[in-house]
Amino acid sequence: AQSVTQLDSQVPVFEEAPVELRCNYSSSVSVYLFWYVQYPNQGLQLLLKYLSGSTLVKSINGFEAEFNKSQTSFHLRKPSVHISDTAEYFCAVSDTGGFKTIFGAGTRLFVKA
Amino acid sequence: NAGVTQTPKFQVLKTGQSMTLQCAQDMNHNSMYWYRQDPGMGLRLIYYSASEGTTDKGEVPNGYNVSRLNKREFSLRLESAAPSQTSVYFCASSELADSYGYTFGSGTRLTVV
Repeated sequence: AQSVTQLDSQVPVFEEAPVELRCNYSSSVSVYLFWYVQYPNQGLQLLLKYLSGSTLVKSINGFEAEFNKSQTSFHLRKPSVHISDTAEYFCAVSDTGGFKTIFGAGTRLFVKA
Repeated sequence: NAGVTQTPKFQVLKTGQSMTLQCAQDMNHNSMYWYRQDPGMGLRLIYYSASEGTTDKGEVPNGYNVSRLNKREFSLRLESAAPSQTSVYFCASSELADSYGYTFGSGTRLTVV
């Protein structure tokens, strides 16, 4: 069975500092990997995804994540965060071509001025 | 550009009452999903519909039923609400399976007293 572990429930960071949100997964088959962001009182929005090819994937707002197959990880990074990045971030995994995406418990990123 | 629309946004039920959560998408997506979100547990899949005319159980289906009314609409019914069903419910859709990522609605906050 697949599972997703987000290693930090909360990450406080100062504005303009770098941040890394950690995600590890377990699966016996090939997977797709996703990061979603949830702003307060809203639904989740897809931030970026890894399907195949280059192991480094990027979003339009400066986030990036790297798929590491040997370490079964898909950590999310941003070199300089803004106040507006304050949100909850969810890592997710699914079987290739499947219909059951599994979500991690979420990491609450809090950016301080 | 409505995307995924959920109604109602808020609901309070008494134990034993029934209700239906409505979801509609206007993106011509094939697959639709119902998740519940509870603090510290991420999102858990209740039911999904891979395509019009099909529905399947997810991780936590007990106490729920679903109907894929047509390609646009996917409803979730609680026949006899219990306090354990207090949660935020999200509907999502995807073009085809998981590889495209999900588009989420804004959620229904349900409280069962």
